[in-house]
Amino acid sequence: DQQVKQNSPSLSVQEGRISILNCDYTNSMFDYFLWYKKYPAEGPTFLISISSIKDKNEDGRFTVFLNKSAKHLSLHIVPSQPGDSAVYFCAASPSNTGKLIFGQGTTLQVKP
Amino acid sequence: DGGITQSPKYLFRKEGQNVTLSCEQNLNHDAMYWYRQDPGQGLRLIYYSQIVNDFQKGDIAEGYSVSREKKESFPLTVTSAQKNPTAFYLCASSIERGPRPQHFGDGTRLSIL
Repeated sequence: DQQVKQNSPSLSVQEGRISILNCDYTNSMFDYFLWYKKYPAEGPTFLISISSIKDKNEDGRFTVFLNKSAKHLSLHIVPSQPGDSAVYFCAASPSNTGKLIFGQGTTLQVKP
Repeated sequence: DGGITQSPKYLFRKEGQNVTLSCEQNLNHDAMYWYRQDPGQGLRLIYYSQIVNDFQKGDIAEGYSVSREKKESFPLTVTSAQKNPTAFYLCASSIERGPRPQHFGDGTRLSIL
């Protein structure tokens, strides 16, 4: 039972354009959401998070949008850079726990 | 520099052997976690600990054991009962339980000889 799903295994965009990564979840008890970036043979690096009381959080080139009614969140990267090429994981946390439930990941390739 | 250190980076195990993966953090974080990643999949929680001398099973704890005798250390033992131990293992920590980002080490890749 996959509670957090990233339905696109891969995404390819041109440098300078927008990258949009999507994530869907099923558990209405999730109230904290995160995005991580991962390079091969390394640990994930925290990018940005959002609480369920917000619908948008922005940090530089990265913006996360949360649509609670649709149980959907997305990560926008603008402008995309070749160094953004990596695997991106979304994760969700149930209320008042430290546990994270991860999606399967989306591989982003940004072409120069 | 503060961070999470996992060692070794690569580990080989013979069938039937137990093996222990090390995880040390100097971030003064209370909570620590172990995840497993398989190809094409997300991270799955094995065990977590919110305080010294206490830990809880995650979603896939069978065949694994942990200890938390010190705040800085959270070793994971992969026992011979784990039938498919080949995977990438990641340790993480967070400042406290609750809505906080977890910070990860660089992982240990375990392979069966």
